[in-house]
Amino acid sequence: AQSVTQLDSHVSVSEGTPVLLRCNYSSSYSPSLFWYVQHPNKGLQLLLKYTSAATLVKGINGFEAEFKKSETSFHLTKPSAHMSDAAEYFCVVSKGGKLIFGQGTELSVKP
Amino acid sequence: SQTIHQWPATLVQPVGSPLSLECTVEGTSNPNLYWYRQAAGRGLQLLFYSVGIGQISSEVPQNLSASRPQDRQFILSSKKLLLSDSGFYLCAWSEETGPYEQYFGPGTRLTVT
Repeated sequence: AQSVTQLDSHVSVSEGTPVLLRCNYSSSYSPSLFWYVQHPNKGLQLLLKYTSAATLVKGINGFEAEFKKSETSFHLTKPSAHMSDAAEYFCVVSKGGKLIFGQGTELSVKP
Repeated sequence: SQTIHQWPATLVQPVGSPLSLECTVEGTSNPNLYWYRQAAGRGLQLLFYSVGIGQISSEVPQNLSASRPQDRQFILSSKKLLLSDSGFYLCAWSEETGPYEQYFGPGTRLTVT
């Protein structure tokens, strides 16, 4: 069965430092994986998606994620955090037309 | 380009009153449509999804129902609201074929008093 586990419920970084949000997945076949971002009281925005093409996926706002099959991981990174990156981030796997969401990681960015 | 609309943005309703939330999508045909609820501080719960007009699948038994009267219109309803229906309701759409990434609307904040 497909599932995702986000390893940190909260991550805090300083502005200008790198961001790492960790996600492990479980899937019986090659999965489609996504990262979404949600700012307070807003809808979810798709950051990037992995669909069995390149293992390093580039998304919007400078984010990228690397699909590592051997580690069953799909971690989200950004070289330099910006204050506007403070939000909730969801790692998601697709299962038969439905999305299975992780519990979310809240990213805080300190000035 | 595709656009998804939800209204109203916020709603305060007394217990026992009816509910109707509307979602419309522009710029695509025969999309898959979804209703989610997000309780405070928690993840997303899929409530209903639809692959076509009049075709509704319910994920969780509850006090809510959904309808799809037109290809790009999805409505969430209740005859009598409960306090536990409070939350942030999100509508989403995806293409009818994979990989099924979903695109979300701005959401409706429902408070039942």
